[in-house]
Amino acid sequence: DQQVKQNSPSLSVQEGRISILNCDYTNSMFDYFLWYKKYPAEGPTFLISISSIKDKNEDGRFTVFLNKSAKHLSLHIVPSQPGDSAVYFCAATYGSSNTGKLIFGQGTTLQVKP
Amino acid sequence: DAGVTQSPTHLIKTRGQHVTLRCSPISGHKSVSWYQQVLGQGPQFIFQYYEKEERGRGNFPDRFSARQFPNYSSELNVNALLLGDSALYLCASSPGSYNEQFFGPGTRLTVL
Repeated sequence: DQQVKQNSPSLSVQEGRISILNCDYTNSMFDYFLWYKKYPAEGPTFLISISSIKDKNEDGRFTVFLNKSAKHLSLHIVPSQPGDSAVYFCAATYGSSNTGKLIFGQGTTLQVKP
Repeated sequence: DAGVTQSPTHLIKTRGQHVTLRCSPISGHKSVSWYQQVLGQGPQFIFQYYEKEERGRGNFPDRFSARQFPNYSSELNVNALLLGDSALYLCASSPGSYNEQFFGPGTRLTVL
């Protein structure tokens, strides 16, 4: 049972344009969501997070949007840069369980072309 | 500041053997979590330890065990290795049990 899904395995975008990465979840108990970026041969790097009490969070070029009614979140990268080329994972957790368990999607490979 | 460190970087074992993976968290972080990542999938949660106590366990067999030491470093042990245990094992640390987790580079385990 895949509770967090990233239905697009890959995305290709031109440098300077917007990249939009999508993520869907099924468990309504999730109350905290995170995005990680992963380069080959490295561990995932934390990018940005959002609590379920918010619908938007911005950090520089990165913005995460949360639509709880649709159980959907998205990561916007504007403007996209070649260095953003990596695998992006969304993850979810529920604080009430206090286990710190992150549930990850399968990942989306982003390619930003110069 | 030093990030999360893991050792060894790579490891090759044969079926039936035992393996120990090590992790040192970011200074000041009291929580360590372990994840398994197989090719083409996202990381899968194995364990979380906070203040040396197990706080969470994922859907992994009893062949997997872990512990956290007084200095908050951690070991992941896997007994009776199977071919399917071949994966990247990631360690993550966080200040508390419910915070953003910061990952190390991982240990690549190959079981032959």
